[in-house]
Amino acid sequence: EAGVAQSPRYKIIEKRQSVAFWCNPISGHATLYWYQQILGQGPKLLIQFQNNGVVDDSQLPKDRFSAERLKGVDSTLKIQPAKLEDSAVYLCASSLSGQGAGGYTFGSGTRLTVV
Amino acid sequence: GEDVEQSLFLSVREGDSSVINCTYTDSSSTYLYWYKQEPGAGLQLLTYIFSNMDMKQDQRLTVLLNKKDKHLSLRIADTQTGDSAIYFCAESMGNRDDKIIFGKGTRLHILP
Repeated sequence: EAGVAQSPRYKIIEKRQSVAFWCNPISGHATLYWYQQILGQGPKLLIQFQNNGVVDDSQLPKDRFSAERLKGVDSTLKIQPAKLEDSAVYLCASSLSGQGAGGYTFGSGTRLTVV
Repeated sequence: GEDVEQSLFLSVREGDSSVINCTYTDSSSTYLYWYKQEPGAGLQLLTYIFSNMDMKQDQRLTVLLNKKDKHLSLRIADTQTGDSAIYFCAESMGNRDDKIIFGKGTRLHILP
């Protein structure tokens, strides 16, 4: 089974620029998550989709972050404009219909550096 | 509220046992997890335990859960150099709202 695919692997941008990340979940996984992992911390949930609907975006800084999953498959996460504190690894994960334990698969992440 | 705490560093000699500890605050957590993250890699699920269990063993890994004290531990027997990584303790409700709450991670360093 193919894993969760993310691109790009690395991105360096200047503050105030825009950036977008892409995630392709495991085929058939209805639930998709975006996590932010700042250096030295554990991952923090930004947004959770069930198919193409948002389940939880309470931790998403909506003034600058947006995410969509239009067809219930791939997802994009955008930051506009980026700030220095957005430097982090952005992890995408997917799971089968919110099954919880054992059902999550994480991608390798996109490492964003804002300079 | 939801919070997961764990010590940041642990050094262990190769061949010894490693014990990584974690405490959590949400008594309604259904699942408790241990994830491993190697440098530059994604998160790998090592093992998980359901909240009505107090122990789970899987080869070199032993998970102990003290639900009364909200304490979770991961024991790695015969620690090898390949076990060098960051280990994250995490919890979730395990239902439809099953976001995972992670601790800050414990960096395991293996001494020769």
